[in-house]
Amino acid sequence: QKEVEQDPGPLSVPEGAIVSLNCTYSNSAFQYFMWYRQYSRKGPELLMYTYSSGNKEDGRFTAQVDKSSKYISLFIRDSQPSDSATYLCAMSAAIGSQGNLIFGKGTKLSVKP
Amino acid sequence: ETGVTQTPRHLVMGMTNKKSLKCEQHLGHNAMYWYKQSAKKPLELMFVYNFKEQTENNSVPSRFSPECPNSSHLFLHLHTLQPEDSALYLCASSDTGAAQPQHFGDGTRLSIL
Repeated sequence: QKEVEQDPGPLSVPEGAIVSLNCTYSNSAFQYFMWYRQYSRKGPELLMYTYSSGNKEDGRFTAQVDKSSKYISLFIRDSQPSDSATYLCAMSAAIGSQGNLIFGKGTKLSVKP
Repeated sequence: ETGVTQTPRHLVMGMTNKKSLKCEQHLGHNAMYWYKQSAKKPLELMFVYNFKEQTENNSVPSRFSPECPNSSHLFLHLHTLQPEDSALYLCASSDTGAAQPQHFGDGTRLSIL
């Protein structure tokens, strides 16, 4: 079983839709959870950073962590064509070498006007 | 200049060539990273440097040789590469300590002939 599972998509939605992106993981030691957005021909940029369980909201973006289910989500409200990108989840146990970030494969999102 | 800058953006080289990738960060961070990004695979951590000292070598073949002369600069020296080494090579930096958010450059797209 891979440490982090992420559906690669591609996911295509109409403008204005609510988008739900998800990752599951197997390592119960993970405590820090991040979402990165990567546009074509660019490096990943940090979108959301959360610690432990709960929700975090930033504008149209909401990150949710459910540690009991080992499941994290990123919701995008009122999606825009500029949200078209690949979204990478990443997580860390923050303990020694387990402190390194473990990434999912990324989900490619396309928002159609 | 701000952020993390990588040069060159594209590199085509033969299997017997020697070349170097360069990364420079202007964020005041003390940790720097090399990642390999291949299609349909998660980001693979290659090397980690903290305060110029290598703290992680993720079983990377010796044909990849990192160098970190100071906390702002990171190099990846390449020699005798294989076709399967063709990928996007990303540099990142962060504050020291586990699970710190990492800031990425836009990568070097490497093609091995």
